[in-house]
Amino acid sequence: AQTVTQSQPEMSVQEAETVTLSCTYDTSESDYYLFWYKQPPSRQMILVIRQEAYKQQNATENRFSVNFQKAAKSFSLKISDSQLGDAAMYFCAYRRSLTGNQFYFGTGTSLTVIP
Amino acid sequence: GAGVSQSPSNKVTEKGKDVELRCDPISGHTALYWYRQRLGQGLEFLIYFQGNSAPDKSGLPSDRFSAERTGESVSTLTIQRTQQEDSAVYLCASSLGIALASYEQYFGPGTRLTVT
Repeated sequence: AQTVTQSQPEMSVQEAETVTLSCTYDTSESDYYLFWYKQPPSRQMILVIRQEAYKQQNATENRFSVNFQKAAKSFSLKISDSQLGDAAMYFCAYRRSLTGNQFYFGTGTSLTVIP
Repeated sequence: GAGVSQSPSNKVTEKGKDVELRCDPISGHTALYWYRQRLGQGLEFLIYFQGNSAPDKSGLPSDRFSAERTGESVSTLTIQRTQQEDSAVYLCASSLGIALASYEQYFGPGTRLTVT
C-alpha cells in the first residue's frame, strides 16, 4: 500500500522568507503523480502544484517549487517570498498513474507566517 | 464556473441518529470522491465514483457508511446509527476522470459533522 509521510506537523516562516515542507512516500510503482494541496481555515482544499514522476524537471508555479527526488521518494515543497496568505495546512498527496483512482494524503503540515 | 458544493456546512446530531451529507460536483466531472478528515489528521479516502462504473467502496470504515450517486451529478453520503468517532469533516471532491491521472481534484468546503 502507498503511504505518504509528512514529518513536520508545524512550521513557521517570517514573511518574505523561504520555507521548505517535507514529504516522503512509499511505493513500488514507477509511474505516479504527486501533489501539494493547501487547506486554509476556510477548509477549501486548493491544488498548489503537481509533479509527474516520469519528469525529471522539478515543477514550479510562481513562488512555489518542488524538489522531487525519485530515488529517495522525497517530494518537498519550497515556498519563496512567503506571504501572510500562505498560512494554511499543506498536504502532500500521491496518485498512481492511469488506473490510480485513489489519492493518498499525508497528515499535513501547519504553516504559520510571521509578519 | 461554480465549484464543488456541499451541504450542510455544519451538522450536529445525536448519537444513534442517521445523517445524510450532500455533494454537488462540478458539471461535467465524471469522478467523485468522498474523504473523512478527523481533527488534526490528513484525508482518509472513503469512496470513489467514476461514471457508470461500480464505485470503489474500499475506504468505507463500516457498513454504517454508504454512498450513492445519481448519474454524474449529486452524491449523498449516509451514515447510519452515528457514533461519536464519526465526528469529522467530510470532504467531497470531483475531477474530470482518471483517463489522465494528472487530473486534479477540486474540493468542496466540507461538512463538519459533530456527534454528541
